[in-house]
Amino acid sequence: EIVMTQSPATLSVSPGERATLSCRASQSVGSNLAWYQEKPGQAPRLLFYVASTRATGIPARFRGSGSGTDFTLTISSLQSEDSAMYYCQQYDNWPRTFGQGTKVEIK
Amino acid sequence: EVQLVESGGGLAQPGGSLRLSCAASQFTFSSYEMNWFRQAPGKGLEWVSFISASSNTIYYADSVRGRFTISRDNAKNSLYLQMNSLRAEDTAVYYCARGMATGYVGEACDLWGQGTMVTVSS
Repeated sequence: EIVMTQSPATLSVSPGERATLSCRASQSVGSNLAWYQEKPGQAPRLLFYVASTRATGIPARFRGSGSGTDFTLTISSLQSEDSAMYYCQQYDNWPRTFGQGTKVEIK
Repeated sequence: EVQLVESGGGLAQPGGSLRLSCAASQFTFSSYEMNWFRQAPGKGLEWVSFISASSNTIYYADSVRGRFTISRDNAKNSLYLQMNSLRAEDTAVYYCARGMATGYVGEACDLWGQGTMVTVSS
């Protein structure tokens, strides 16, 4: 099973500042990596697939990058509505696996 | 509105059974792969099971293989998860989710339901 490791566990960022979230896979997943946003009481929302392709309706301040084992989600100018948990998920191998999540807080 | 709505959650005793349903609306359900995920209280997301559009390909997480069965009825636009031999560690919100129709088997999921809570306790 591919282990996905996210860092940091919690990120506190001021509005308008940049947030950088990392995701590392225990072996290469190519570009088969998705990012999801989850807010309390809501279903997960797809942000990116194939590592860097923005899903429908995702604002341009979100950027996904990386390939192989190292991936990054960048929020260029944090807005209050971006406060959430963010999960990476590999879909290169079965079983599909998620990172443990990064909680983004507004400072 | 394009949506997925889960139902069937509730309280079950250890060793008991539940059947979850997921109703799809406003899209061609029969063209999409589907998945079940779960999230235990205070924990992260966990993939549970996958079924291809035609039901030809099915996968399970090791934690549920042999106890859970995924199925679908394309005529009824519905996805199911039969859960047997339930354990306390199966307590979670269960989500159904649609795989993107990119041609890649087991693609990322672009549409999720709101979830249904399953509690396993005596």
